[in-house]
Amino acid sequence: DSGVTQTPKHLITATGQRVTLRCSPRSGDLSVYWYQQSLDQGLQFLIQYYNGEERAKGNILERFSAQQFPDLHSELNLSSLELGDSALYFCASTRQGEGETQYFGPGTRLLVL
Amino acid sequence: GQNIDQPTEMTATEGAIVQINCTYQTSGFNGLFWYQQHAGEAPTFLSYNVLDGLEEKGRFSSFLSRSKGYSYLLLKELQMKDSASYLCAVRDFNQGGKLIFGQGTELSVKP
Repeated sequence: DSGVTQTPKHLITATGQRVTLRCSPRSGDLSVYWYQQSLDQGLQFLIQYYNGEERAKGNILERFSAQQFPDLHSELNLSSLELGDSALYFCASTRQGEGETQYFGPGTRLLVL
Repeated sequence: GQNIDQPTEMTATEGAIVQINCTYQTSGFNGLFWYQQHAGEAPTFLSYNVLDGLEEKGRFSSFLSRSKGYSYLLLKELQMKDSASYLCAVRDFNQGGKLIFGQGTELSVKP
């Protein structure tokens, strides 16, 4: 158990809908990273937050957004969902930021029908 | 940009040794990580190399050559539970803290 929690574990929804995925980092960790893993793409970095501020952006679609709250939990919002958004979404956390090992949460499996 | 290559799949026998290679190209190398991932589960951290040489941790070892852009993960005394995907990931200081992952190597351990 990495200490990173994610909810929900599974999510089934329809095209065009909007969902919110939640991540709570390990106690004391200030930085949260979001990754998407689909069968044909491998693990792709989406976005990083550090202490409430956006720190780095990867291949995140405009339909997706994220934020980190004062209690350091983070939410990833996915809107206008398409079939291709079906994937595992992981978050990872580190204490400070760039210099450390990332520990991953259990992931949210999203299925868009 | 970054490019990370590792074999798609490998098969090995229980009790044997297997070496999974990873080659990378990056402009600002700042560490290489190996993660293990069982199907549908989270990647779990195995090892980290930032300097050249071998890091040993129990049955698992990882080697890095920065000049060659090359790393390998060595798994000894293979067990059935080692069947999993092994992900090589590189951190680039020009890209902040994010990790760039390879596609993963699917290892099957046979009895």
